[in-house]
Amino acid sequence: RKEVEQDPGPFNVPEGATVAFNCTYSNSASQSFFWYRQDCRKEPKLLMSVYSSGNEDGRFTAQLNRASQYISLLIRDSKLSDSATYLCVVTFISNFGNEKLTFGTGTRLTIIP
Amino acid sequence: NAGVMQNPRHLVRRRGQEARLRCSPMKGHSHVYWYRQLPEEGLKFMVYLQKENIIDESGMPKERFSAEFPKEGPSILRIQQVVRGDSAAYFCASHPDRAEAHRAEAFFGQGTRLTVV
Repeated sequence: RKEVEQDPGPFNVPEGATVAFNCTYSNSASQSFFWYRQDCRKEPKLLMSVYSSGNEDGRFTAQLNRASQYISLLIRDSKLSDSATYLCVVTFISNFGNEKLTFGTGTRLTIIP
Repeated sequence: NAGVMQNPRHLVRRRGQEARLRCSPMKGHSHVYWYRQLPEEGLKFMVYLQKENIIDESGMPKERFSAEFPKEGPSILRIQQVVRGDSAAYFCASHPDRAEAHRAEAFFGQGTRLTVV
C-alpha cells in the first residue's frame, strides 16, 4: 500500500463549479498534513495546511479525519487559474529524527472555460 | 529574502558522465531535503541533510548517488555515471530548525531538470 494515495485524475471541471479531492495515508503516526499545488514544470508550493478542526482559506476548504486517515480539499467557485496538480503531503518523524514529508502522486485538475 | 536557489535549472549529460546539482537553502534554514520527480509521477524523497551531516539517506539509490551539505556553500547532489533512467526533475527543499518543522512549510527550489542522452 502506498504511504499517501490520491486519485490521479484528471479532473476536468467547468469554471465556477465545486470540486473535491481526497487523499488517504497509511502511517497512523503522521503528524502534519498539507496540500501543495504544482503547476506544470514548476516547483510545488504550499496551498494550505490541514488541521483536525478543518480550515478554510477563501474558496479552499481542507479537512482531516485522523480516525479514517483521510484528508480532503474542496475548491468552490473554481477559476481557470486553479488548473494545476494538487499534492497531498503527510509528514512524520522518521527513525532518524527528521520530519519526513511524503507526497502523494498528485491529482491533476483542469478548469474548463 | 532569496528563496531556495537551485542550479543549474537544466542539465544535459551523456550516459556515463557525472551530474552535479546544487542547492542553496533559504537564509536561516539549515535543513535540506532532496526529492526526485520522474515524468508523470509524484515527488520521491531521496535524502535529508543538515550542515555537514547526512541525517536520512533512506531514499537514495545504493549506487552512483551521493549528497553533501558542507559547512560553507550549497548542498550538492552528485550522480555518477548517469543513465537514461536518471532523467528527472530534482527538487531541493529547505525548512527551519526541526523544532519548528511540524508547524512550518517546506520551501522548494525551482528544480534542476536533468536529461541524460
